Amino acid sequence: DIVLTQSPATLSVTPGESVSLSCRASQGISTSIHWYQQKSNESPRLLIKFASQSISGIPSRFSGSGSGTDFTLSINRVESEDFSVYYCQQSYSLPLTFGSGTKLEIK
Amino acid sequence: EVQLVESGGGLVQPGASLKLSCVASGFTFSDYWMSWVRQTPGKTMEWIGDIKYDGSYTNYAPSLKNRFTISRDNAKSTLYLQMSNVRSEDTATYYCTRDSGGYVMDAWGQGASVTVSS
Repeated sequence: DIVLTQSPATLSVTPGESVSLSCRASQGISTSIHWYQQKSNESPRLLIKFASQSISGIPSRFSGSGSGTDFTLSINRVESEDFSVYYCQQSYSLPLTFGSGTKLEIK
Repeated sequence: EVQLVESGGGLVQPGASLKLSCVASGFTFSDYWMSWVRQTPGKTMEWIGDIKYDGSYTNYAPSLKNRFTISRDNAKSTLYLQMSNVRSEDTATYYCTRDSGGYVMDAWGQGASVTVSS
């Protein structure tokens, strides 16, 4: 199985800061990585697909990059509604796997 | 509006069986692959498996393949997860998801909570 390692586990930031969240795959997966946001007591929501493709309805401050084994989700100028947990998921091979998540919290 | 609504969760004893349902609306259910994903109390996300749009093919996580079965009824726009011989480690919130292509989960239900305990 492909293991996805997300870092950091927790990121404390002040609203208005820009941040980068990392997801590293245990083997090369091209651009088969997707990012989800999960707010407290809610279901996950798709943010970015195939590493960098935007999703309709998602604010433009969210962007993704990377290929191979290293991927990044960037949030330009974090807003209060962005404080939640972010997961990456790979679709390169079955079984599909998820990272353990990065919690973005208010500093 | 795309909606996925799970039901059938609850408290179940170890070794018992349980069947979850997920009713879809707001899109043509029979056009999409669908998946089940669970999230443990510790927030770990685990893919359970998926099913082809016509129900003719399924994939499963190897660790769950022998106990879990995914099926669907396109006439009822409903996805199912049959769980058998449940264990305490099956305690989780179970989500049904829509696959928009390439195993990208672009819609999620609100989740069904399953607790396995005697």
